[in-house]
Amino acid sequence: QQQVKQSPQSLIVQKGGISIINCAYENTAFDYFPWYQQFPGKGPALLIAIRPDVSEKKEGRFTISFNKSAKQFSLHIMDSQPGDSATYFCAASMELTGGGNKLTFGTGTQLKVEL
Amino acid sequence: DTEVTQTPKHLVMGMTNKKSLKCEQHMGHRAMYWYKQKAKKPPELMFVYSYEKLSINESVPSRFSPECPNSSLLNLHLHALQPEDSALYLCASSQDMYSPLHFGNGTRLTVT
Repeated sequence: QQQVKQSPQSLIVQKGGISIINCAYENTAFDYFPWYQQFPGKGPALLIAIRPDVSEKKEGRFTISFNKSAKQFSLHIMDSQPGDSATYFCAASMELTGGGNKLTFGTGTQLKVEL
Repeated sequence: DTEVTQTPKHLVMGMTNKKSLKCEQHMGHRAMYWYKQKAKKPPELMFVYSYEKLSINESVPSRFSPECPNSSLLNLHLHALQPEDSALYLCASSQDMYSPLHFGNGTRLTVT
């Protein structure tokens, strides 16, 4: 119930194309859903995040779509660029009783954008 | 560059050594975290500190010992590690429930 399932495991997209990564969760206690981008040798960096009372959030070329009833959410990267080539993790967060929050990560998607 | 600074960037240690990883943030965040990340895997939560008190220990072996000396610093003391403990150790911080975790770039640990 704590898992976040992510697909696909890897993705190759042509420059200018749309990259789509999907995630699904079971635990309804999750109430904050961030996406992280990680380059080799670096820590994960927040890309965009959404709360479950919103169905869509857009920031530049990045859009999260959220379906609360289906317990699914997805990341769309428009006009994908070679610089977007990285590993993307979806995550689901819940507040901890003692403070702070616990992120449960998806398994990750390796995105490669080809010229 | 990130706002969470981790040192050292790389560490090689033998199984009998004692070493420490350090993490520092000056964003005023009151929650700090240690994560472990193996190659091609997602980060796994190890410890959470909230207001300088240990909030969560995800059943981490006692050879890993966290410490939070003050609200800006987080240490991870290592002793008698095993080769399978080799990984990227990530520190993160956050302000509250709906604020994101800010990660450092990690310490690449190799246990020989």
